[in-house]
Amino acid sequence: DAGVTQSPTHLIKTRGQQVTLRCSPKSGHDTVSWYQQALGQGPQFIFQYYEEEERQRGNFPDRFSGHQFPNYSSELNVNALLLGDSALYLCASSRFRGYGYTFGSGTRLTVV
Amino acid sequence: QQPVQSPQAVILREGEDAVINCSSSKALYSVHWYRQKHGEAPVFLMILLKGGEQKGHEKISASFNEKKQQSSLYLTASQLSYSGTYFCGTQWGDNTDKLIFGTGTRLQVFP
Repeated sequence: DAGVTQSPTHLIKTRGQQVTLRCSPKSGHDTVSWYQQALGQGPQFIFQYYEEEERQRGNFPDRFSGHQFPNYSSELNVNALLLGDSALYLCASSRFRGYGYTFGSGTRLTVV
Repeated sequence: QQPVQSPQAVILREGEDAVINCSSSKALYSVHWYRQKHGEAPVFLMILLKGGEQKGHEKISASFNEKKQQSSLYLTASQLSYSGTYFCGTQWGDNTDKLIFGTGTRLQVFP
């Protein structure tokens, strides 16, 4: 049973560019949450998707947007990249009203 | 409003015990505990629900004090494999609420 799959694993972008990260949730899960984790810090909540809608959002600017597809997979888009956007981006899936999140291995984004 | 964990770091010898605390400024619905090893994804350990029981996982157990808005993670007879960073995650509304992670506690177990 495949867990959460994220792609790509690593990415290097130039400041000002745009990036798209992808996530396939664990089988049976319908909710996807995205987190940003800076080195040595806890994961920071970006937003959560369920039924193809953004249900909740953390304190991130509008440069961060997302999408969920009918098969529950999700994308995270970041526009106008800043150096400070360099981090590990984690996708976590869960069942709506369920318990426990399953995390993917993350995408390491470096902005130069 | 990020939950605060204490201590920030713990160093143990194999077989020793440890307690990690997680405090919230808001009333909690649930507390999740995760362990993250270096370079890996966080792994779910357990969840404690408001009004629920203390949950256990092998020699790792946790408690949830609703009045104090706190949870504690107990690691008994620690093993080398317990090394990693432990995060609590909190939900304030219900189980559809976003999961907010704490500041983290780095645990190192030496032989």
